[in-house]
Amino acid sequence: QQQVKQSPQSLIVQKGGISIINCAYENTAFDYFPWYQQFPGKGPALLIAIRPDVSEKKEGRFTISFNKSAKQFSLHIMDSQPGDSATYFCAASFYGQNFVFGPGTRLSVLP
Amino acid sequence: EAGVTQFPSHSVIEKGQTVTLRCDPISGHDNLYWYRRVMGKEIKFLLHFVKESKQDESGMPNNRFLAERTGGTYSTLKVQPAELEDSGVYFCASSQEFGRGVTDTQYFGPGTRLTVL
Repeated sequence: QQQVKQSPQSLIVQKGGISIINCAYENTAFDYFPWYQQFPGKGPALLIAIRPDVSEKKEGRFTISFNKSAKQFSLHIMDSQPGDSATYFCAASFYGQNFVFGPGTRLSVLP
Repeated sequence: EAGVTQFPSHSVIEKGQTVTLRCDPISGHDNLYWYRRVMGKEIKFLLHFVKESKQDESGMPNNRFLAERTGGTYSTLKVQPAELEDSGVYFCASSQEFGRGVTDTQYFGPGTRLTVL
């Protein structure tokens, strides 16, 4: 019940394209869903986060779509840029504590 | 404002030896977390401090791992004796106390890459 599934494992997108990463969770008690971006040699950095009382949140080129009934949420990166190439992790938690992470998606944006 | 720092950045030790990892959270952050990523798998929760108290240590793999947070500031994670399967990247994260109206953002350090030979 604590697992968070994430797909795809890797993703290659052309510059200017849309990158979509999907996650699914099992425990309906989770109430905070962040996405983290990690560059090689660095720690994960918060990209965007959502709570289950909204279905979508947008910050610049990054959008989270949240489907509470399906227990799924996804990250959309619009106008993907080579600088977006990184590993992306979705996560779920209770009250922002003790994150349960997905296995990560390695995104490569081709110039 | 300084971010979360971790020391060392890399550590290579032999099986059976002891290693101590250190984490300095962002100043003023009461919550401190330890996570581990093994072999490209998901980042897994190890434990959570609130100030100097262990709030949740359910993710600690076994009693070879000992975490401390003296005075509610920096934290150490000791592995003694280290085994091959302990290899991975150990991340520390910190956040402000929940309930002050501040977001639940956890700020991560760069990690310590531990290799046990």
